[in-house]
Amino acid sequence: AIQLTQSPSSLSASVGDTVTITCRASQGIRSALAWYQQKPGKPPNLLIYDASSLESGVPSRFSGSGSGTDFTLTISSLQPEDFATYYCQQFNSYPLFGQGTKLEIK
Amino acid sequence: QMQLVESGGGVVQPGGSLRLSCKASGFTFSNYGMHWVRQAPGKGLEWVTFIRYDGVNKYYADFVKGRFTISRDNSENTLYLQMNRLRPEDTAVYFCAKDRRYQVLWGPLDYWGQGTLVTVSS
Repeated sequence: AIQLTQSPSSLSASVGDTVTITCRASQGIRSALAWYQQKPGKPPNLLIYDASSLESGVPSRFSGSGSGTDFTLTISSLQPEDFATYYCQQFNSYPLFGQGTKLEIK
Repeated sequence: QMQLVESGGGVVQPGGSLRLSCKASGFTFSNYGMHWVRQAPGKGLEWVTFIRYDGVNKYYADFVKGRFTISRDNSENTLYLQMNRLRPEDTAVYFCAKDRRYQVLWGPLDYWGQGTLVTVSS
């Protein structure tokens, strides 16, 4: 079974910083990867699909890259509303989520 | 606008059963596959099950296989999750979510309900 490993599990940053979150698959998943943002008490919100396609309505400071086994989510010029937990999800086979990365204010 | 509203959560004893519903509106329900995803308190997201747009194919995570059943009524725009033989470790918020792909097997999940809490405890 495919495993997804997100890193780091937590991250501290300041408003205006650029941060990168990594998701590694245990085997190749082509570009079948999505990224979600979740705030406490809310459902997840789709940010990126097909590894690098920006979902409609999502700010352009969010970007995704990668294919095969290594993927990244980059958030440029962090805004206060970006502090949340981020999850990757693969859909090349049975859907699977990464364990999450909590982005906190420094 | 697209909306998914879950209901049916509550407190149930170990070994008991519960049926969750998810009412969809704002899109052509019969054209999209649907998922259930759960989140235990303070934990990450866990995919549970998926049903194809026409209800023909269903897929389950190993930890619910044989205990949970997903179904849908396209005439009522409603998704269901029948949960039997519940265990304490099934305690979680259960989200229904729409697949982004049109009439194909799973993809990213683009719309989510607010979730319904299931607590399995004696």
